[in-house]
Amino acid sequence: ETGVTQTPRHLVMGMTNKKSLKCEQHLGHNAMYWYKQSAKKPLELMFVYNFKEQTENNSVPSRFSPECPNSSHLFLHLHTLQPEDSALYLCASSQDPRGVGTDTQYFGPGTRLTVL
Amino acid sequence: DAKTTQPPSMDCAEGRAANLPCNHSTISGNEYVYWYRQIHSQGPQYIIHGLKNNETNEMASLIITEDRKSSTLILPHATLRDTAVYYCIVRVVTGTASKLTFGTGTRLQVTL
Repeated sequence: ETGVTQTPRHLVMGMTNKKSLKCEQHLGHNAMYWYKQSAKKPLELMFVYNFKEQTENNSVPSRFSPECPNSSHLFLHLHTLQPEDSALYLCASSQDPRGVGTDTQYFGPGTRLTVL
Repeated sequence: DAKTTQPPSMDCAEGRAANLPCNHSTISGNEYVYWYRQIHSQGPQYIIHGLKNNETNEMASLIITEDRKSSTLILPHATLRDTAVYYCIVRVVTGTASKLTFGTGTRLQVTL
C-alpha cells in the first residue's frame, strides 16, 4: 500500500460514454499527477496539479478533463474517447515538485481502461 | 526525453545479487537519480534515490559513480517477487514543477 488509491481498478466504456476516474491520496501531499501507460510504451505524464492548481498539461486532448477539488483528490473525466485511449491510467502524489531537493512520487495501482 | 540509458533486459538467479546499471551522462549537479520498479500491470513502486553519495535502504542499494554519470541499483538477494521492470530516472526540476520522465527500463527476470 502506497497511500494512493484509485477507483475503479478496471473500466470498460463505449466511445459515447462519459466516465470519471478517481484518485485519493492519504499522504498529506500537495501535488498530484495523472500518467498514461499504453501497451508496451513508457509512462507518459498527462497533468500535474500543485496546491490544487494545474501546473502542467502535456498536450493532452480535451476529451480528457482533469479536476482537483483539493490536495487529496484528483479526478480524470473522460468523454468521447477513442479505442486508442485504452491504457493503464496511473495517479501519483508528491510533497512539492517545485523544490530542487528530493520530491518522491508515490503511485496508485492504476485504472485499466478499455474503450470499445 | 529520457536522460538515462538502461539495458533492455537482465536475468538473475534467485538468491544472488542483481546489479542493474544505468547511464546518465548529461546529469546536472542538482538532479537526483531515482529508481522505481513496476511489476506487471501495477503502479510503479519507489525504490531509492540519491544525489552523489551511495544510499541503502531496506529494499536496495544505490551506487553512484564519482562523476555521477552512471549508477547501479543493487538488489542484494533477489527473489522471484523482484521480477519487474526497473526504471532509472533523473528528476528534472523546471520553474514550477519537477518531472519524472520514464524510459523503457530494464526488465529483470529472476529465475530459480
